[in-house]
Amino acid sequence: DARVTQTPRHKVTEMGQEVTMRCQPILGHNTVFWYRQTMMQGLELLAYFRNRAPLDDSGMPKDRFSAEMPDATLATLKIQPSEPRDSAVYFCASTGAADSDQPQHFGDGTRLSIL
Amino acid sequence: AQKVTQAQTEISVVEKEDVTLDCVYETRDTTYYLFWYKQPPSGELVFLIRRNSFDEQNEISGRYSWNFQKSTSSFNFTITASQVVDSAVYFCALSTGTASKLTFGTGTRLQVTL
Repeated sequence: DARVTQTPRHKVTEMGQEVTMRCQPILGHNTVFWYRQTMMQGLELLAYFRNRAPLDDSGMPKDRFSAEMPDATLATLKIQPSEPRDSAVYFCASTGAADSDQPQHFGDGTRLSIL
Repeated sequence: AQKVTQAQTEISVVEKEDVTLDCVYETRDTTYYLFWYKQPPSGELVFLIRRNSFDEQNEISGRYSWNFQKSTSSFNFTITASQVVDSAVYFCALSTGTASKLTFGTGTRLQVTL
């Protein structure tokens, strides 16, 4: 089965450090999403791309977060500098549809802990 | 704005019981899509079902069934003869138009015990 691949699965680092999370969408999928899951906020959309172009990043703190798609097989989410409140599970998802009718397929997530 | 409400925070049942997870949604769009995802203890999000706003047919897949009612803006999920492996957090989600992005409910944690 085709899967969305996220690395690393776990990351523990100290406050102030740069964190980079990577996502390989399912081959052929042209829409990639980043979600964050916390106990307090639940699952919330941070940003998403279609055909590598950013469509919406309104859910992302702009001062410290950045999301890019250097190519069709790689999406990155960076936090610089990281803060303890960024501790969460970050999910990447992809879909091949141009509209909303197809399901998003999620990676296993990156569990991030900022000390 | 879109909103999904899962009023049941946690449900505990004994194996073989039937259980229904409720989902109520809000949207002004006439075209929208509803989804259920399962998040087992291992943490991944697993797609279960998609339903579009023009298709109110109920669906059954094995022990799972879904009841979509536009009149009450609900998309409820029933597990028949629950099993321990069904223990997970279940999320209902909504997307509209061409945006694709999902608005999730807060999830219902289902605990199935022997």
